[in-house]
Amino acid sequence: NAGVMQNPRHLVRRRGQEARLRCSPMKGHSHVYWYRQLPEEGLKFMVYLQKENIIDESGMPKERFSAEFPKEGPSILRIQQVVRGDSAAYFCASSPLGLAGFSNTGELFFGEGSRLTVL
Amino acid sequence: AQSVAQPEDQVNVAEGNPLTVKCTYSVSGNPYLFWYVQYPNRGLQFLLKYITGDNLVKGSYGFEAEFNKSQTSFHLKKPSALVSDSALYFCAVRAASGGSYIPTFGRGTSLIVHP
Repeated sequence: NAGVMQNPRHLVRRRGQEARLRCSPMKGHSHVYWYRQLPEEGLKFMVYLQKENIIDESGMPKERFSAEFPKEGPSILRIQQVVRGDSAAYFCASSPLGLAGFSNTGELFFGEGSRLTVL
Repeated sequence: AQSVAQPEDQVNVAEGNPLTVKCTYSVSGNPYLFWYVQYPNRGLQFLLKYITGDNLVKGSYGFEAEFNKSQTSFHLKKPSALVSDSALYFCAVRAASGGSYIPTFGRGTSLIVHP
């Protein structure tokens, strides 16, 4: 009965390095959402993916950030050439049905987050 | 664009007293509204939701929320607070049709329940 699994829980990187954050959705869920949490800004949507497809990336910064959800394996949020402003908690959530189309009225199931610190 | 306002960064209440955490929203058309709770260094946990029907929604751990369409509010309430309720609470909204189906979250309200 595993929930949404995220790893690593904590990641420290120096400026200019790459950060890779992984998310395995709940069993039976094929829709994944990434959010970023900053102390003064709350939770901000980044990207919504389904297996092998990016559905909505309207919240993703145009540069250095990318996300994928391959046919096999976890979803990955990748941040290239990290800067101090990327320090935040990154949360992944999943749902059994997609939210697009509005027929799914359910809640999202969140992982415990990956906390990125950029030195 | 849809949005959520949680006007209080922090709410302090004594154990045993009623608590209210405020939330107002803006969305195109009818809303789906949610409350989540986050304990330190943990992910968000779903508490309750309003989709349609009765304006008073009951959820986990004795929490309830009242949907008020005219005031565009969805305040979280509990009749008697516990110290263990101390956590960060997030209100979220998404459009029921049209608009954005991606949930938008408020900035969060820190609830502190004093013994």
